[in-house]
Amino acid sequence: DSGVTQTPKHLITATGQRVTLRCSPRSGDLSVYWYQQSLDQGLQFLIQYYNGEERAKGNILERFSAQQFPDLHSELNLSSLELGDSALYFCASSVGETGNSPLHFGNGTRLTVT
Amino acid sequence: AQTVTQSQPEMSVQEAETVTLSCTYDTSESDYYLFWYKQPPSRQMILVIRQEAYKQQNATENRFSVNFQKAAKSFSLKISDSQLGDAAMYFCAYRFRMDSNYQLIWGAGTKLIIKP
Repeated sequence: DSGVTQTPKHLITATGQRVTLRCSPRSGDLSVYWYQQSLDQGLQFLIQYYNGEERAKGNILERFSAQQFPDLHSELNLSSLELGDSALYFCASSVGETGNSPLHFGNGTRLTVT
Repeated sequence: AQTVTQSQPEMSVQEAETVTLSCTYDTSESDYYLFWYKQPPSRQMILVIRQEAYKQQNATENRFSVNFQKAAKSFSLKISDSQLGDAAMYFCAYRFRMDSNYQLIWGAGTKLIIKP
């Protein structure tokens, strides 16, 4: 058990809809990272928050947004969903700010857009 | 551009045998880290082993070891005495420093099948 909790485990929704994925980092970790894993692909970095502030941005679409709350949990909001957004979305946490400390991954949220 | 290539979409090995998974990367950096992660059917990403580029000695973790060839930009994973629990997707990842932050680049993964 990595200590990182992601909810929900599975999500099925229709095109055009909006969903929110939630992540609780491991106790003591201040950084939260969001990754997207499409079928048979490696992870694509979306965004990182550190102690409530956006720290780094990757290939995140404008339809997607995220935030990290004072209790350090994070939410990833996906709107105007398209079929191609179907993927496994991972959250990872780490102690440090710069990505130099080990990442601890959650079990992911499987999003299916129909 | 930084890239990570895993040329084997799928590998299979007999239980108790040894298997090697390949990974190559492209970089102009001299200071970086390399990782192998395992993703079993439970979907969780589990760190298997890491290698610092400045270290010449190959990293080893129990039955898992790497063959790090810096000049060739190659980072293969050797699993000895394969066990059924080793069946998973294996991802190679490369971490480098960009500005004031570290970035992780991932390969597409290799599916490892263990034959009983």
